[in-house]
Amino acid sequence: QKEVEQNSGPLSVPEGAIASLNCTYSDRGSQSFFWYRQYSGKSPELIMFIYSNGDKEDGRFTAQLNKASQYVSLLIRDSQPSDSATYLCAPKGGTSYGKLTFGQGTILTVHP
Amino acid sequence: NAGVMQNPRHLVRRRGQEARLRCSPMKGHSHVYWYRQLPEEGLKFMVYLQKENIIDESGMPKERFSAEFPKEGPSILRIQQVVRGDSAAYFCASSRAGQGSNQPQHFGDGTRLSIL
Repeated sequence: QKEVEQNSGPLSVPEGAIASLNCTYSDRGSQSFFWYRQYSGKSPELIMFIYSNGDKEDGRFTAQLNKASQYVSLLIRDSQPSDSATYLCAPKGGTSYGKLTFGQGTILTVHP
Repeated sequence: NAGVMQNPRHLVRRRGQEARLRCSPMKGHSHVYWYRQLPEEGLKFMVYLQKENIIDESGMPKERFSAEFPKEGPSILRIQQVVRGDSAAYFCASSRAGQGSNQPQHFGDGTRLSIL
């Protein structure tokens, strides 16, 4: 079992729709969860982080965490073509105290 | 200059040469992390450093790779006797010291290393 699993996609949504990105992780000791966006040829950019079960909203982004199910998701409302990128899920803590363990990423394409 | 600074942005080396990659963390950050992204692969952790200390090097190859974060100056990732398989993007991230593992890491623009 991979430490962090994400559907590689590509996930294609029309402009204005909600994009839903999912991530499962194996380390039950993970304490914090980070979502990064990476445009092709660029560096990862932090867009959201969540520590507690439930939802956390920031603008058009909502992160959802369920530690019992070892599941974290990212919702992007009113998707824009500029949201087209690879989205990386990265839990931290537990057995990997300092390091981020990244999933393979989900490629999101928002088409006009 | 508020961000994580990496240099050079691009580095070309011939097989057998040494590569030195530099990283200056964001202002106020004392923890540095190095990650590698091979072509068409995900980001992989290499090493986690604080000033003058290596905290976790579990992702570093056993040979040819070393890292340091001296009291003064940037963090250095050093690759000796480079081989073609070392061609990748090397990213540095930094974070504040903080409670537990909650401090987010911010990434630099990376160094693209190409081995001829």
